[in-house]
Order: sequence, then structure tokens, then C-alpha cells
Amino acid sequence: GPKVLQIPSHQIIDMGQMVTLNCDPVSNHLYFYWYKQILGQQMEFLVNFYNGKVMEKSKLFKDQFSVERPDGSYFTLKIQPTALEDSAVYFCASRGTANTGQLYFGEGSKLTVL
Amino acid sequence: QQKVQQSPESLSVPEGGMASLNCTSSDRNFQYFWWYRQHSGEGPKALMSIFSDGDKKEGRFTAHLNKASLHVSLHIRDSQPSDSALYFCAASETGYQNFYFGKGTSLTVIP
Repeated sequence: GPKVLQIPSHQIIDMGQMVTLNCDPVSNHLYFYWYKQILGQQMEFLVNFYNGKVMEKSKLFKDQFSVERPDGSYFTLKIQPTALEDSAVYFCASRGTANTGQLYFGEGSKLTVL
Repeated sequence: QQKVQQSPESLSVPEGGMASLNCTSSDRNFQYFWWYRQHSGEGPKALMSIFSDGDKKEGRFTAHLNKASLHVSLHIRDSQPSDSALYFCAASETGYQNFYFGKGTSLTVIP
């Protein structure tokens, strides 16, 4: 089936550094999402993105967070600077144009901030 | 306030048994409901959707929606050890906007 690829699968960085998480969504999808999951528990919505713009973001999407998809390449989540509480698994998801809205998730990028 | 609540938090059933998972919403605008399943170390995968009142059956899985009570359930018959996973209910107003996830139900199927 359709696959979403996330790179890297795991990253360890020091607090205060910048990190970029990359997502290669399903090829014909136009809606992109980032979710945050801590300790294998709730999927917390961060942001959704369509047509080059942030459509909706949650309170978890702090000022230090940004997303972009330059020229149809990777959909990225950048955190600058990172904080200890940013340690989590970040999942990218994409979906097509039908409003029936099945999300296709990647395998996640585990971020550890020391 | 959590927009989507799930119960129970965890559930154990014997192999071959029936597992019943529940989801309620506090937002009457939600029209689109999905069940997702997440195995350990993987991303969530869509199981099934339900948008209309009543039952929807796909193989061993049956979803039920009651929009008046904002209640969605998922029933898994003939549960298998491979069904052991974290199950999420997700809801959206239009299908184009954000999907709100519940906290999940951890299902363990005991061989």
C-alpha cells in the first residue's frame, strides 16, 4: 500500500540544538500532518499543511517549531532550539483530497533531547 | 478538554474471544470517525472508517456509530494474538481538518 517515509528513524541531540525531521509523503497526497507521541501513548496533533500553508496548529506547536515543503520535496518539521520536553516520537501523515480522510502514517522519528 | 475519549484504557481477551472498544466525543460537529491500530514500534494504520449511524462490518471488525450519543465502538470477533496493539479512535469535523485522536486502548490477546 501507499507508504510514508520518515528520516531519520532516531536522532539524539543536545538541548538547544536544531533538529529537522523529514517526511516523504505518499506521492499524490496534498495534505500533510505532524503528530507527537510520548511513551507510546496518545497521538497529539501538532500541525496540518496544505498548499504551502499551515492550515491548523495546536498549542503544542510552539514558536520554536516550523514546517515547510519546498518545491514538492520533503515535508519537514524543524525545531529550533530544542528543549527536553521535545523528546518524543514524531509521526508524519499524509492524505489525499477525498474528504473521507484516511491518514497514512510513517514509522515515526524518535527524537531524544539530552 | 479531551475531545475524544476512549475506554477502556487496556483490555485483555483470550484468543478467539470478542474485544469491544469504546469511543465518545464531546464535539457534536464531528462527522467522520476512524479507527486506527498501532503495533509496537510502528506508525498507526487505518482499520476502518464510519460516517453514518449504524453498523459497518469489515471481516472480523465491526464498527458502530450513534451520532445522537456521539458514541463509536469497535468490536473484534475471533481475536488473534496479532490483534494485540494500541487502538485509536480519531474524529474530524469535515474530513479536511485536523483529526483528533483519543488516548487509545491497549488490547492484549492472550493465546
